[in-house]
Amino acid sequence: GNSVTQMEGPVTLSEEAFLTINCTYTATGYPSLFWYVQYPGEGLQLLLKATKADDKGSNKGFEATYRKETTSFHLEKGSVQVSDSAVYFCALSDKAGNNRKLIWGLGTSLAVNP
Amino acid sequence: GAGVSQTPSNKVTEKGKYVELRCDPISGHTALYWYRQSLGQGPEFLIYFQGTGAADDSGLPNDRFFAVRPEGSVSTLKIQRTERGDSAVYLCASSLSLQADTQYFGPGTRLTVL
Repeated sequence: GNSVTQMEGPVTLSEEAFLTINCTYTATGYPSLFWYVQYPGEGLQLLLKATKADDKGSNKGFEATYRKETTSFHLEKGSVQVSDSAVYFCALSDKAGNNRKLIWGLGTSLAVNP
Repeated sequence: GAGVSQTPSNKVTEKGKYVELRCDPISGHTALYWYRQSLGQGPEFLIYFQGTGAADDSGLPNDRFFAVRPEGSVSTLKIQRTERGDSAVYLCASSLSLQADTQYFGPGTRLTVL
């Protein structure tokens, strides 16, 4: 079945450090891939997405590239800010069926210190 | 415009009681999803509606869980004979259509079963 594996946290960085959160997936078809973010006390928000191989999703300085050959969708940001402290979830949606339900990773907690 | 809303935001109940959780999706969104998120975990799919019908309820853990969407808008998740293991945050999401990739999440209902 479909699954998502993302690196365990917590991740603690200093402001302006480079961020990578690894995400790999297993899917029978060609899923869409997502990163969602959950800020403290708030609901899940879509951060970025990519719907086909080699697509790059980007938003708020974050980027992730859909790599079919390595079945990966790693999240990166060149210079993190304190306001980026949140939990980040990688997820996939199988486009093959009629159900676009999301399959999720466990989440990676990021803390950015000033 | 208004996002997905969920009520109540918190619900504390006793073991064996019946609870209803409500989701009000974004106006015009035909697809509606329920997920459950336990502490430290990613969300897990429960049920998906396209319009008024439950297109996929394969994620409901057992027959104590039931959901309806009688007019194709508001949905109610119903849990009978609650158990302590049902304690979690119940998330609702909606998307514009069956084919739409992006799901928009509500803030969730935190259910605590004592």
